[in-house]
Amino acid sequence: EAGVTQFPSHSVIEKGQTVTLRCDPISGHDNLYWYRRVMGKEIKFLLHFVKESKQDESGMPNNRFLAERTGGTYSTLKVQPAELEDSGVYFCASKPTIQGFETQYFGPGTRLLVL
Amino acid sequence: AQSVSQHNHHVILSEAASLELGCNYSYGGTVNLFWYVQYPGQHLQLLLKYFSGDPLVKGIKGFEAEFIKSKFSFNLRKPSVQWSDTAEYFCAVNARLSTGKLIFGQGTTLQVKP
Repeated sequence: EAGVTQFPSHSVIEKGQTVTLRCDPISGHDNLYWYRRVMGKEIKFLLHFVKESKQDESGMPNNRFLAERTGGTYSTLKVQPAELEDSGVYFCASKPTIQGFETQYFGPGTRLLVL
Repeated sequence: AQSVSQHNHHVILSEAASLELGCNYSYGGTVNLFWYVQYPGQHLQLLLKYFSGDPLVKGIKGFEAEFIKSKFSFNLRKPSVQWSDTAEYFCAVNARLSTGKLIFGQGTTLQVKP
């Protein structure tokens, strides 16, 4: 069974540019989460999809971040325009159901560097 | 608000030494508790988790953790570490009735010297 995949693995952009990160969850996993780790800090929750619907987007930093999950399969996270403080590692995770105790399966992350 | 505190940010041990990584959480309700590990160049993966029953849980690769409700703690232990345990370890929590979003501690980097 294929795991969670993320693309690209690395991205270096200049301040003011746009970047789109993609996450492909494990097939059949309705629940998809985005997290971010800024260097030296803890991994922080950004948002949660159940199928194509945003269940919780309380962790999104501001309106420069836009997440979508059209069709309930893969998800994209767009940052527009990127700022220096957006640098970090963006993780995606998925799991089959919404049950809190269920294991989340993480992707390898996308390392974003904004110069 | 929920929070998780990991006491040690960087731990260096020699092979065969015993390991204990501290984790305390702050939350007033019932929680699910997790330890994840990230080996160099690999994904975050689950080591073990607790959600009910025996507070002493066993995970992969000889790791175990004990949930002490009165201390809001979920410390990770391993009696004898190996060089291959070199990794970053994350404690995480979510509320029992939540939608599953995880609150993470800052992570502990473990370096095991051969």
